[in-house]
Amino acid sequence: QVQLVQSGAEVKKPGSSVKVSCKASGGTFSNYAINWVRQAPGQGLEWMGGIVPVSDTANYAQKFQGRVTITADESTSTAYMELSSLRSDDTAVYYCARPGVGGPSPKSYSYYYYALDVWGQGTTVTVSS
Amino acid sequence: SYVLTQPPSVSVAPGQTARITCGGSYIGAKSVHWYQQKAGQAPVVVVYDDDDRPSGIPERFSGSNSGNTATLTISRVEAGDEADYYCQVWDSSSDHVIFGGGTNLTVL
Repeated sequence: QVQLVQSGAEVKKPGSSVKVSCKASGGTFSNYAINWVRQAPGQGLEWMGGIVPVSDTANYAQKFQGRVTITADESTSTAYMELSSLRSDDTAVYYCARPGVGGPSPKSYSYYYYALDVWGQGTTVTVSS
Repeated sequence: SYVLTQPPSVSVAPGQTARITCGGSYIGAKSVHWYQQKAGQAPVVVVYDDDDRPSGIPERFSGSNSGNTATLTISRVEAGDEADYYCQVWDSSSDHVIFGGGTNLTVL
């Protein structure tokens, strides 16, 4: 049973950057899209982007383009999400998540088609001066 | 970009049926996934691909999808079903994941 374990809580100053890690254990890593989803206090889920390690191709939501970098290290089965130019409204819980099904969907040819079955425990990032 | 619209809240008495809608342009042509999120926890899939249930999810949870509306139906609602529920689709034009705004289910 695959598990995703994320790095610990962070407190950052406005204008700085944060890098959150997500380590997969108990299953294969490379052929699944690792997605990053954030949730501000009292707000809904917001997809930030994802990466498919086998192709090392990242895919970013328009809102975060230019400010987020998602990478993956196949040797350690770990994905990373780095968010720069932090603002107070970036204060949120950041989750990594991946589908239970690997490979591109035969219906859509996309790795992002599937439901997100496996979630990390979440990492709280607080941006405050 | 593709937008999913959910009612902010739904209230239902125990034992009754709750229906949570998710509106989107021609959403019936997409596969819709539904998540349950309880306070302080990560989301959990309760319905995927419109109407399939993961193992371990009670049969009381079901989904449908047609036209411009997808619906999550929870039959014989229990106090433990109180949570936020999110719909989600994959947008083919952008290859992006899209979430609805979420619906808070209150069991009266």
